[in-house]
Amino acid sequence: IQMTQSPSSLSASVGDTVTITCRASQTVTYYLNWYQHKQGKAPNLLIYATSSLQFGVPSRFSGSGSDTDFTLTISGLQPEDFATYYCQQSYRTPLTFGGGTKVEI
Amino acid sequence: EVQLVESGGTLVEPGRSLRLSCAASGFNFDDYAMHWVRQSPGKGLEWVSGISWNGDSIDYGDSVKGRFIISRDSAKNSLYLQMNSLRVEDTALYFCAKDRAKVTTSWIDFWGQGTRVTVSS
Repeated sequence: IQMTQSPSSLSASVGDTVTITCRASQTVTYYLNWYQHKQGKAPNLLIYATSSLQFGVPSRFSGSGSDTDFTLTISGLQPEDFATYYCQQSYRTPLTFGGGTKVEI
Repeated sequence: EVQLVESGGTLVEPGRSLRLSCAASGFNFDDYAMHWVRQSPGKGLEWVSGISWNGDSIDYGDSVKGRFIISRDSAKNSLYLQMNSLRVEDTALYFCAKDRAKVTTSWIDFWGQGTRVTVSS
């Protein structure tokens, strides 16, 4: 299953609302997850099963969608949110990631 | 506290073999599926392999199928990746990762810091 993210990068300011989209080449039902990755650190799970917020993740992060089209929204961007974000399907193996979206200042 | 500590990454020549290890602690290792995920320089995340809680279900990404072997040892709370016939394009930071379920089709809820593998002559 191919995962396509857009945009590949974006520039935003603190306080902005940012939306990242992810499209699957076939249905993944609700098995869509979002990770944040900062260079040199371990990736961090933000959202699982399309819209469930991982414990400890701020509520400004939210996810939506179904089947093939999904969205990650960051409402009120904070300085610590500048990172690369990946969607990933876990509907079937091989698990696949989107190409990533780099959120820059 | 969940901890995943990878080791074994190094510089290796093309065609050679290498084994990565991941020491797990802070959770019941036998209850969860585990994964290896890599990031090549300047590229995104790529799933390499996954193994179910009891080792009965194993799968690989297309780029490593037939060359890499994943395994786990419950007595040592450890995950392994045997990497054979290494290629330059296997150069990457390799992450060990824990699934939230017994099977590999759930979601990864914790990652290690990674171990670096460089394949070069």
